[in-house]
Amino acid sequence: QKEVEQDPGPLSVPEGAIVSLNCTYSNSAFQYFMWYRQYSRKGPELLMYTYSSGNKEDGRFTAQVDKSSKYISLFIRDSQPSDSATYLCAMKLPHGGSQGNLIFGKGTKLSVKP
Amino acid sequence: GAVVSQHPSWVICKSGTSVKIECRSLDFQATTMFWYRQFPKQSLMLMATSNEGSKATYEQGVEKDKFLINHASLTLSTLTVTSAHPEDSSFYICSARDVGNRRAGELFFGEGSRLTVL
Repeated sequence: QKEVEQDPGPLSVPEGAIVSLNCTYSNSAFQYFMWYRQYSRKGPELLMYTYSSGNKEDGRFTAQVDKSSKYISLFIRDSQPSDSATYLCAMKLPHGGSQGNLIFGKGTKLSVKP
Repeated sequence: GAVVSQHPSWVICKSGTSVKIECRSLDFQATTMFWYRQFPKQSLMLMATSNEGSKATYEQGVEKDKFLINHASLTLSTLTVTSAHPEDSSFYICSARDVGNRRAGELFFGEGSRLTVL
């Protein structure tokens, strides 16, 4: 079993839809959870980060972490064509290792149709 | 906001040649930078951690003699793919952490460099 599992999609939705993106993980020691957005042929950019369990909201984006289920989600409300990108989840242990040692999911490719 | 710049964004080279990719932090200092490789439809895989003024730390399975990393200043790290072969064709991405930023896991990524080895 891989440490982080993410459905690669592709996921296609109409403009205005609510999008739900998810990752599951196997290592219960992960404490930091991130979502990155990566446009085609570009580097990832940080969208959301969450420490431990709970919800975090930023504009149209909501990140949820359920540590009991080892499951994280990113919700996008009122999706726009400009949201079309690949979304990568990432997670990190609380101690040790380098700051770069994030474990990434494969990414879910999202397409929002006008 | 913080910006990390990579150059070149595209490079095509012949098999057997060496290619250098630069990663610069434009408005902050980074004692540590990271190099990733991303194959199509795959995750970012950390290759190595570049430390300013000291040797890079390589992840298991990454050949240090093939992927030479130099971090000569607080704003520049370079990755040199030596004697490149077609299987080295990939998307190489660097990232850096602003030493003044304490948010765990907040890395700023470069735009990536696509290497194609013929």
